Amino acid sequence: KAGVTQTPRYLIKTRGQQVTLSCSPISGHRSVSWYQQTPGQGLQFLFEYFSETQRNKGNFPGRFSGRQFSNSRSEMNVSTLELGDSALYLCASSFGFIDNEQFFGPGTRLTVL
Amino acid sequence: EDQVTQSPEALRLQEGESSSLNCSYTVSGLRGLFWYRQDPGKGPEFLFTLYSAGEEKEKERLKATLTKKESFLHITAPKPEDSATYLCAVPVRGSQGNLIFGKGTKLSVKP
Repeated sequence: KAGVTQTPRYLIKTRGQQVTLSCSPISGHRSVSWYQQTPGQGLQFLFEYFSETQRNKGNFPGRFSGRQFSNSRSEMNVSTLELGDSALYLCASSFGFIDNEQFFGPGTRLTVL
Repeated sequence: EDQVTQSPEALRLQEGESSSLNCSYTVSGLRGLFWYRQDPGKGPEFLFTLYSAGEEKEKERLKATLTKKESFLHITAPKPEDSATYLCAVPVRGSQGNLIFGKGTKLSVKP
């Protein structure tokens, strides 16, 4: 069974630009969650999508947004990039119930210059 | 507020020197506890799920246990390839997200 895939793996952007990251979940999984990981803050929850609907959202500014398609693939977008947005962005998929394990992709390393 | 705390932050072991990592939690209505392993620059790799106090799970040199307040990840006779950051997480409801992670324990095993 194929795992969670994320593209691109690496991105370099400059302040003020916008970026779109993509995630393909494990086949059959309907929930996709996004996390930001930095050395200082650890893993922080961004948002979760389930059956094309945002089910939960973390404490991030509105510059961070996402969506999910009918095939469960998900994208997240960050507009007006800031230096502090440099991080590893992780996508995780699960069947969608609260006690289900989440399986992570390899992440997208975003560097903002 | 629901919280997960891991200790120690870093642990250095010699190959073959067994030890334990701790994950303590304060969650209203625990619905499971997950352990992950993360190598540098990669996504977390799922290891175990524990659902109730007294439960134990094993995989190779790793054994995870759960009490009502904390979980332990025991590493028996570790090898250098066990070097990684070990994360624990608990599922929650609300704006904190659907999964709260501890900051992790960075394990280094020297040959």
